[in-house]
Amino acid sequence: EDKVVQSPLSLVVHEGDTVTLNCSYEVTNFRSLLWYKQEKKAPTFLFMLTSSGIEKKSGRLSSILDKKELFSILNITATQTGDSAIYLCAVEANTGNQFYFGTGTSLTVIP
Amino acid sequence: DAGVIQSPRHEVTEMGQEVTLRCKPISGHNSLFWYRQTMMRGLELLIYFNNNVPIDDSGMPEDRFSAKMPNASFSTLKIQPSEPRDSAVYFCASSLESGGAQPQHFGDGTRLSIL
Repeated sequence: EDKVVQSPLSLVVHEGDTVTLNCSYEVTNFRSLLWYKQEKKAPTFLFMLTSSGIEKKSGRLSSILDKKELFSILNITATQTGDSAIYLCAVEANTGNQFYFGTGTSLTVIP
Repeated sequence: DAGVIQSPRHEVTEMGQEVTLRCKPISGHNSLFWYRQTMMRGLELLIYFNNNVPIDDSGMPEDRFSAKMPNASFSTLKIQPSEPRDSAVYFCASSLESGGAQPQHFGDGTRLSIL
């Protein structure tokens, strides 16, 4: 059965801390892995990863994929209160454009 | 650029009533997805369309749920009759399926409460 597992389920940190969010997957015919940030409304797209070992970076956020070990991490450095959100990991399969979402990691950044 | 547009934003109705949720995907996108999100189960894929054709509806909970996409710019998700356990946020997302990996873009969702 295809699945995506995220950890931890929730995380509380202080401003300035660095956090690492994990996403492991078992998906047949892997095509890509995506990270989304969800605040009060819709998930917003952060990164798409298709190749192992190539870091994607946007400001204080970065992500990398390991297709051999079937996982990805999302790093956030120097966290700010605005980083508080649910971070969703999704894996796209080649078969019919199917997307599988994890249950998300809820991040709370305390001032 | 207009994103994915969903309506209504909120819906409160009594159980047994018919509920219709609407979605306008991003212009030019050829894949459309309906999701349901709850605290207990997270984000669940209900059904998705490619070029207006339903590809996989295995996530649709039961026969009370139905979805249509009569054209490339409009889709509906209908629940009839509605039940309290259908209360959730329903998201519509679209993407461009072009042979290469593309991210999904989400609408703001419809928050549905069935009393």
